Amino acid sequence: ETGVTQTPRHLVMGMTNKKSLKCEQHLGHNAMYWYKQSAKKPLELMFVYSLEERVENNSVPSRFSPECPNSSHLFLHLHTLQPEDSALYLCASSQSPNGQYNEQFFGPGTRLTVL
Amino acid sequence: GQNIDQPTEMTATEGAIVQINCTYQTSGFNGLFWYQQHAGEAPTFLSYNVLDGLEEKGRFSSFLSRSKGYSYLLLKELQMKDSASYLCAVMDSNYQLIWGAGTKLIIKP
Repeated sequence: ETGVTQTPRHLVMGMTNKKSLKCEQHLGHNAMYWYKQSAKKPLELMFVYSLEERVENNSVPSRFSPECPNSSHLFLHLHTLQPEDSALYLCASSQSPNGQYNEQFFGPGTRLTVL
Repeated sequence: GQNIDQPTEMTATEGAIVQINCTYQTSGFNGLFWYQQHAGEAPTFLSYNVLDGLEEKGRFSSFLSRSKGYSYLLLKELQMKDSASYLCAVMDSNYQLIWGAGTKLIIKP
C-alpha cells in the first residue's frame, strides 16, 4: 500500500460512454498527478495539480477532463474516447510539484479499455 | 528534445547480479530516480541520486555520473520476486520527471 488508491481498477467503455476515474491520497501531500502508461512506452504526464490548482497540462485532448476538488482527491472525467486511449492510467502524489527531492507515490492504476 | 534510454528487457539468473543501465539527455538535471513496477501494480520508489557516485541500499545500489548522463541500478543476490519492470526517471530544470520506457527484468531459476 502506497497511500494512494484508485478506482475502478479495471474499466471497459464504448467510445460514446462517459466515465470517471477516481484517485485519493492519504499522505497529506499537496501535489497530485495523472499519468498514462502504454505498453513499452514511457510514462506520459497528463495533468499536475498543486493545492487544487492545475499547474501543468501537457497538451492532453479535451476528451480527458481533470477535476481536483481538494488536495486529497483527483478525478479524470472521460468522454468520447478513442481505442488508442486504452492504457493504464496512474495517479500519483508528492509533497509538492517542485523541489529537488520530490518522490512521487503511485496508485495501482486503472486499466482502461476503449472498444 | 529530452530523452531517457534503457534496455527494453533483460534476463538474469536467481542468485546472480544484474546491472540495468540508463542514459539521459535532459534540459537541466535535478536528480535521477529509479522505480520498480511489478505487473499490474503501482510503481514504487527505489532510489534517488543527485550527486555523482554510488548509493547503496541493501541488495540494490544506484550509480550516477552527471558528466556522462548515465546511471545504473545494480541488483545483487537476485530473487524471483525481483522480476519486474525498472523505470528510470530524470527530474529536469522545471522539476518535471522525464521517464524512460522501463526495463523488464526476467529472473530464471
